[in-house]
Amino acid sequence: GQNIDQPTEMTATEGAIVQINCTYQTSGFNGLFWYQQHAGEAPTFLSYNVLDGLEEKGRFSSFLSRSKGYSYLLLKELQMKDSASYLCAAPYGGSQGNLIFGKGTKLSVKP
Amino acid sequence: DTEVTQTPKHLVMGMTNKKSLKCEQHMGHRAMYWYKQKAKKPPELMFVYSYEKLSINESVPSRFSPECPNSSLLNLHLHALQPEDSALYLCASSQERMNTEAFFGQGTRLTVV
Repeated sequence: GQNIDQPTEMTATEGAIVQINCTYQTSGFNGLFWYQQHAGEAPTFLSYNVLDGLEEKGRFSSFLSRSKGYSYLLLKELQMKDSASYLCAAPYGGSQGNLIFGKGTKLSVKP
Repeated sequence: DTEVTQTPKHLVMGMTNKKSLKCEQHMGHRAMYWYKQKAKKPPELMFVYSYEKLSINESVPSRFSPECPNSSLLNLHLHALQPEDSALYLCASSQERMNTEAFFGQGTRLTVV
């Protein structure tokens, strides 16, 4: 079966660093995605990890440990506009867009 | 062009109505998807089209009927919906290969009255 867990809500301060964790159990592994979704808007792609280690993209980084079934998204120099839901997702089946999503972590950035 | 365009943005329909949601992409993606997202929940996969053929139907009720007229277009035909079908319906597309992300449209906010 497939299962993805992440915290429901987190709060952080503008300018700070926040780490959003995700644990997963999937039958087969084809990588792990992180998406950002502002309320009422489309999910937008942030990162994709298929190998162990840290992938850095500007203020956002994502880490994967396949042996532990664990990933995290690291957001640095938080801005108010980073307030959103962050979705951890794993592909299954034949296409990379067949995604099973975690419940999402709602991040609130406060001044 | 990295956009997936969905129309309409909002739709209110009665339980006896028939309506259609439309999705379009011009990125040359050969895989297209319909997702349903209820409030404060993650998106849930409904249908997958690969090379214009339905490849996955996640046990979706027959009152939802997908159609892929060509490689750029994806429709979702709606008939005899229930109020609990009210949700954000998201279309997405991707290349048919590994190590690539899906692009999502802005969604259609559907309300069934």
